[in-house]
Amino acid sequence: GAVVSQHPSRVICKSGTSVKIECRSLDFQATTMFWYRQFPKKSLMLMATSNEGSKATYEQGVEKDKFLINHASLTLSTLTVTSAHPEDSSFYICSARNSPGQASREGAFFGQGTRLTVV
Amino acid sequence: DAKTTQPPSMDCAEGRAANLPCNHSTISGNEYVYWYRQIHSQGPQYIIHGLKNNETNEMASLIITEDRKSSTLILPHATLRDTAVYYCIVRVASGYSTLTFGKGTMLLVSP
Repeated sequence: GAVVSQHPSRVICKSGTSVKIECRSLDFQATTMFWYRQFPKKSLMLMATSNEGSKATYEQGVEKDKFLINHASLTLSTLTVTSAHPEDSSFYICSARNSPGQASREGAFFGQGTRLTVV
Repeated sequence: DAKTTQPPSMDCAEGRAANLPCNHSTISGNEYVYWYRQIHSQGPQYIIHGLKNNETNEMASLIITEDRKSSTLILPHATLRDTAVYYCIVRVASGYSTLTFGKGTMLLVSP
C-alpha cells in the first residue's frame, strides 16, 4: 500500500506554545487528507477533512482557530495546534486519500501518529 | 455510514485462529465492510474489505453472511504481533466518504 509519513512521532511542548504536525504522502498525490485525534483507550475521532487548495472542513466541536490545517500541496498537509493546553495532549493521526473520484483499495492510508504532550 | 457492533475484547492463543465478529444489521446495498487494526501507539492499518463475497488476502479472510448483516474477520494463525484493536467499518466505497471508527475489538494474543 501507499505510504503516509507523519512527523514528529512525539512532541512535548509548553502550555501556550504552538505545535505543527506534518503529514506527507510519499508515493501518491493526496487530494484529500483527514486529521483524527485519539484520547487514551478511546477510538479515533475525526477532527477535519482537507482538500488540496481549499479550506478544511471541521467536525462539530472542533475549533478551527485552534487547530489550523493547511493543505497547500498534493503531498503535504499540516496541523498546527495553537496556544496548546494540557487538555490538547492526545494522539493525532492523519490519513490521506488519492483521487477524489475513486476509492483506493484500502479506503485511506494512515500516518504513524503523533503523540502530543502539553506540559 | 451504517453502525457496527463488535465485542470489546477477545483472547486468542498464539498459533490458533482468531475469529472476530462484527454486526452491521443496517448496512446498505452500496456499503462495503472494511477491517482495520491499530497496534498500540500506531496509526490504523488496512486489513481487508468486501461487499458480499468472502475475501482472502495475505493477512486475513473476511466472511460475510448472505444477508450481509454480519461478518467475521479470521486471522488463521494468530501471532503475538496481531495483538491490536480491530475495527470493523461499513462505508460507501467512494472517494468522498470518510472512515468512522467505533470502539473496535481489543484482541489479545497470548503465548
